[in-house]
Amino acid sequence: GENVEQHPSTLSVQEGDSAVIKCTYSDSASNYFPWYKQELGKRPQLIIDIRSNVGEKKDQRIAVTLNKTAKHFSLHITETQPEDSAVYFCAAPGGTYKYIFGTGTRLKVLA
Amino acid sequence: DTGVSQNPRHKITKRGQNVTFRCDPISEHNRLYWYRQTLGQGPEFLTYFQNEAQLEKSRLLSDRFSAERPKGSFSTLEIQRTEQGDSAMYLCASSLSGRASETQYFGPGTRLLVL
Repeated sequence: GENVEQHPSTLSVQEGDSAVIKCTYSDSASNYFPWYKQELGKRPQLIIDIRSNVGEKKDQRIAVTLNKTAKHFSLHITETQPEDSAVYFCAAPGGTYKYIFGTGTRLKVLA
Repeated sequence: DTGVSQNPRHKITKRGQNVTFRCDPISEHNRLYWYRQTLGQGPEFLTYFQNEAQLEKSRLLSDRFSAERPKGSFSTLEIQRTEQGDSAMYLCASSLSGRASETQYFGPGTRLLVL
């Protein structure tokens, strides 16, 4: 069946450094890939997304890259700040209607 | 508040009891999703509505679980004869048909604890 794998499960970086989180998916028909940020006790919030007709998308310090051939997409956060500390989830379509989420990456930005 | 809302935010119940949760999506959104999230995991898809039609149910959704969206607006998720393994955060999300329909907006969730 459809699957989304996310790595790493935890990531610690020094403030100001970059963080990269990678996801792989199995359904070659997938065409939309969102990234969500979830702070402790709060709802997942969409931070950036990408569609399969582009290879990269940027929004200030956040970027997402997509490699359709290899079926993976990555979240890049530059100039990390303590408020970037959270759990990040990727997702990909898992059929006609549903989305499959990755298992999450706990990012810690050390001041 | 024009976002997705869920009630109650917390629910503690004893094993064997029935519980019902409510989700109010963003008003113009016709797509509604229920997910379950356990500690340290990503949201797991449970079921999907387009307007009032329930178009997909996960195999995770046993026959003790039922969801409705009678008028294509709010939705309810009922769990009958709750078990300790049902303890989790139940998240609702909504989206709008169209090119941007894939963007799902989440509610704050209902945290269920079954004793």
